[in-house]
Amino acid sequence: AQSVAQPEDQVNVAEGNPLTVKCTYSVSGNPYLFWYVQYPNRGLQFLLKYITGDNLVKGSYGFEAEFNKSQTSFHLKKPSALVSDSALYFCAVRDMLGDYKLSFGAGTTVTVRA
Amino acid sequence: NAGVTQTPKFQVLKTGQSMTLQCAQDMNHEYMSWYRQDPGMGLRLIHYSVGAGITDQGEVPNGYNVSRSTTEDFPLRLLSAAPSQTSVYFCASSSDGLAEKEFFGPGTRLTVL
Repeated sequence: AQSVAQPEDQVNVAEGNPLTVKCTYSVSGNPYLFWYVQYPNRGLQFLLKYITGDNLVKGSYGFEAEFNKSQTSFHLKKPSALVSDSALYFCAVRDMLGDYKLSFGAGTTVTVRA
Repeated sequence: NAGVTQTPKFQVLKTGQSMTLQCAQDMNHEYMSWYRQDPGMGLRLIHYSVGAGITDQGEVPNGYNVSRSTTEDFPLRLLSAAPSQTSVYFCASSSDGLAEKEFFGPGTRLTVL
C-alpha cells in the first residue's frame, strides 16, 4: 500500500523568510512524487514532480523540492516566501510498481504574513 | 483549450436523490479520475479510468458509479445521495503514464441534506 504524510496542518512564515512544507511517503517500489497547490475555491495546480535523477527538483513560482530516499521524504521549499504563496499545499505519490492510483497527503495550509 | 471542465459548480440534494456530476476534458488524455476533498483528509480517489471503456475503483468507491464511453467524458453518478457524500468533488485527467501530472477541474461543491 502507498501513503503520504504531511505532519504539519499549518505553516506560518513572514514574507521574505524561507518556507518549508514537509512530506514523507511510503511505497513498495520506487516513488513518483508530486506537489500541488490549491488556492481558495479553486482546483489543484501542479507545482513540481520527482521521477528519477537529481534529488533537487525545481518547479513553478520559485518552488523546489528535495527527494531523500533514506528518509523517504520530499519536502517542498522556497527560499523567500511571498504573501501570494498563502495557499493549501498537497504532496502526492504513485508507486512505480503499482497502478495509476495517486495518493494524497492531508494537506498543509501555508500562511505568509506581510 | 478549455482543459478540464466540471458541471455543476454547486448542487444541493436531499437524502435519497440521485444525480450525475459531469466532467469533460479536451486534451485527449487517456487517464481520468474522480476525487473527493474533505477537510483534514486531503483528496481521496473515488474511481478512475485508464481509457474509454475501462474503469476501476479507487479508495472510496461505495455509493458512486462511473462510465467512460468516450475519451472526453467521465461522469460520476450518485445513486442515492447520503449526507456523508457532502464534499467537494474534483475531476482530473492526465496523459498516459504513471509519471504524468494531473490536470484538475474547478470542482463541484455538493451538499446533501
